[in-house]
Amino acid sequence: QVHLQESGPGLVRPSGTLSLTCAVSGGSISSSNWWSWVRQPPGKGLEWIGEIFHGGSTNYSPSLKSRVTMSVDTSKNHFSLNLRSMTAADTAVYYCARVNSSILGAADHWGQGTLVTVSS
Amino acid sequence: DIQLTQSPSLLSASVGDRVTITCRASQGISTYLAWYQQKPGKAPEVLIYAASTLQSGVPSRFSGSGSGTEFTLTISSLQPEDFATYYCQQFNSYPRTFGQGTKVEIK
Repeated sequence: QVHLQESGPGLVRPSGTLSLTCAVSGGSISSSNWWSWVRQPPGKGLEWIGEIFHGGSTNYSPSLKSRVTMSVDTSKNHFSLNLRSMTAADTAVYYCARVNSSILGAADHWGQGTLVTVSS
Repeated sequence: DIQLTQSPSLLSASVGDRVTITCRASQGISTYLAWYQQKPGKAPEVLIYAASTLQSGVPSRFSGSGSGTEFTLTISSLQPEDFATYYCQQFNSYPRTFGQGTKVEIK
């Protein structure tokens, strides 16, 4: 069973950079799946941030593209999210997820989510 | 970007009720749509993919239909564990987008 686990700081200063890692276990990150980040501000809906393939190809949300970088480390079986110039509007629960190509791109495995608060 | 509009945003229902949630896309997306269920404090879980295919392990009381721009999620007989928020997501084009969510609450 594939398991994903986010890790990273729970508090980021305004104008700082968020760095999160998603560790994948029970399966290889080098499989034919994409790996995604989704966020959810407190009390609000889901927002797609972007996705990465193990070869390094990425797709980002246009609204975040100028501030986002995703990377993958196949040797550690994990992928990462960097989000620069953080503001209070970036306060959210951040989820990583596996995008399963065999079910037309739906995300079938998710991490538990990690709350990131932007505050001084 | 493709906009997904769910209706209603809030649905009050009783155990045993038949419930239908609609997701409308701003342009045609064929059947590149999934439905998720999210409970408070938990990650979303996929219920339906390809608009109408039930994900493995999901109870058969859940069903999906539609293509193009209009889609529905139906719960044939609402169970206590089904009170949650439901989201649609499209995979026809980038950026992937979600509907705003439909909260199903106890009447």
